[in-house]
Amino acid sequence: SQQGEEDPQALSIQEGENATMNCSYKTSINNLQWYRQNSGRGLVHLILIRSNEREKHSGRLRVTLDTSKKSSSLLITASRAADTASYFCATDSLGGSNYKLTFGKGTLLTVNP
Amino acid sequence: SQTIHQWPATLVQPVGSPLSLECTVEGTSNPNLYWYRQAAGRGLQLLFYSVGIGQISSEVPQNLSASRPQDRQFILSSKKLLLSDSGFYLCAWSRGTGGASQHFGDGTRLSIL
Repeated sequence: SQQGEEDPQALSIQEGENATMNCSYKTSINNLQWYRQNSGRGLVHLILIRSNEREKHSGRLRVTLDTSKKSSSLLITASRAADTASYFCATDSLGGSNYKLTFGKGTLLTVNP
Repeated sequence: SQTIHQWPATLVQPVGSPLSLECTVEGTSNPNLYWYRQAAGRGLQLLFYSVGIGQISSEVPQNLSASRPQDRQFILSSKKLLLSDSGFYLCAWSRGTGGASQHFGDGTRLSIL
């Protein structure tokens, strides 16, 4: 079964607006990560939040984690056309392999200029 | 700084032909190495990972294989390609355990004719 599930599958906004993407997962985790993928390229790590953290910021990114609901959200503030990409959450399962991450199917974000 | 190289960027192969994709990492030692496949518009499927020379863990039974002949070299191979092997193949590396962040190459687009 899919460990990480992002929603929405696709999101289209205007430049300057905020974009919020959500991720739900099924099993207990050590940490949750968010990645970005530009079309036809590899993934780029954005931010990691540990299971004992509730919120984390990095520049225009804000990530929250609710372990009781097994969910996370990624907020991009003041979006730019260059933020257009797919965004994936990834989790490592508590008690699972220490080396593997499970990726969701991603949210395709389009920021219109 | 660490870099990861993956080649070729695109590849078109006939059904039944062999395959060899190579990935190398520079600027770090004893990395964990990963091969993923990504179908169009989908998430990442972990194919193989390696935590050391000669150590390969297979996640999905299929006609692909992986090898790690040197510390920073990871090779994905097939003796006979199938149509279903088409996709975007990504190599990644990480350090340590506990769901460490992963760093991706730019991928190989493989088309099987």
